[in-house]
Amino acid sequence: DAGVIQSPRHEVTEMGQEVTLRCKPISGHDYLFWYRQTMMRGLELLIYFNNNVPIDDSGMPEDRFSAKMPNASFSTLKIQPSEPRDSAVYFCASSLGQGPYEQYFGPGTRLTVT
Amino acid sequence: AQSVAQPEDQVNVAEGNPLTVKCTYSVSGNPYLFWYVQYPNRGLQFLLKYITGDNLVKGSYGFEAEFNKSQTSFHLKKPSALVSDSALYFCAVRPNTGGFKTIFGAGTRLFVKA
Repeated sequence: DAGVIQSPRHEVTEMGQEVTLRCKPISGHDYLFWYRQTMMRGLELLIYFNNNVPIDDSGMPEDRFSAKMPNASFSTLKIQPSEPRDSAVYFCASSLGQGPYEQYFGPGTRLTVT
Repeated sequence: AQSVAQPEDQVNVAEGNPLTVKCTYSVSGNPYLFWYVQYPNRGLQFLLKYITGDNLVKGSYGFEAEFNKSQTSFHLKKPSALVSDSALYFCAVRPNTGGFKTIFGAGTRLFVKA
C-alpha cells in the first residue's frame, strides 16, 4: 500500500482565499483523522471520522474550518477564508477499527497564508 | 483532565550510549500507550505500543519502552543510540473506553552526537 496520501504538499495562499487540503487514507482503514502541527501549539486533533461519519469535531478552531469525507477513500479539509494564523502543517492519518491500533500519518501539507 | 507529559524538550546523547525519553500520563483506566517518531518534513511514524501484558515492549529500529503502572509512565529506551535516531519523539495515550481520541505529548527532540 502507498500509505496515506496528502495533497498538495505545500500551499501558499493569500489571506482571505479558500484553501482545500486533500487526503486519501489507507485502504481498509475506517478511521480518519485531521491534525494541525505548529511550534506554539504542538500537534492538535481537529476532527476524526469513523466510516465516513464525523465523530468529534471539537478541535476545529472556528467555523472557517470544515471537513468532509464523501467516501471511504477521500477526505477534504477546507479553510474559508484563510488567515495568517492558519499557517501550519496539516496531517491526515488513518487507522483500523476500535481496537488498540496505531495511526498511520501522511506526509503533511505545509500551509502558508500571507 | 487527561494529559500526557514529556518533561524534556530535548535529550542529548552520544552515539553508542543508551538513551531514555520520558513520558508520564494522567488518563483513567487502562489506556493504550504509543510512541511515534517524526523526522524532518515527514509525518509521524509508529514505533511501538503497549496494550497489556509484559511491561517491556519492543518496537522498530531497536527501540523499546517500559510501562510502569504505579508511576503511570511509559519511557522510551534504546541500548545504543545512533546518529540517525535524531528526531522528534511523541508519546501518545488513548483511553480504551469512551471514544477514540488519542492524546499526544508535546514531543521530545532527541539529538545524538557522533
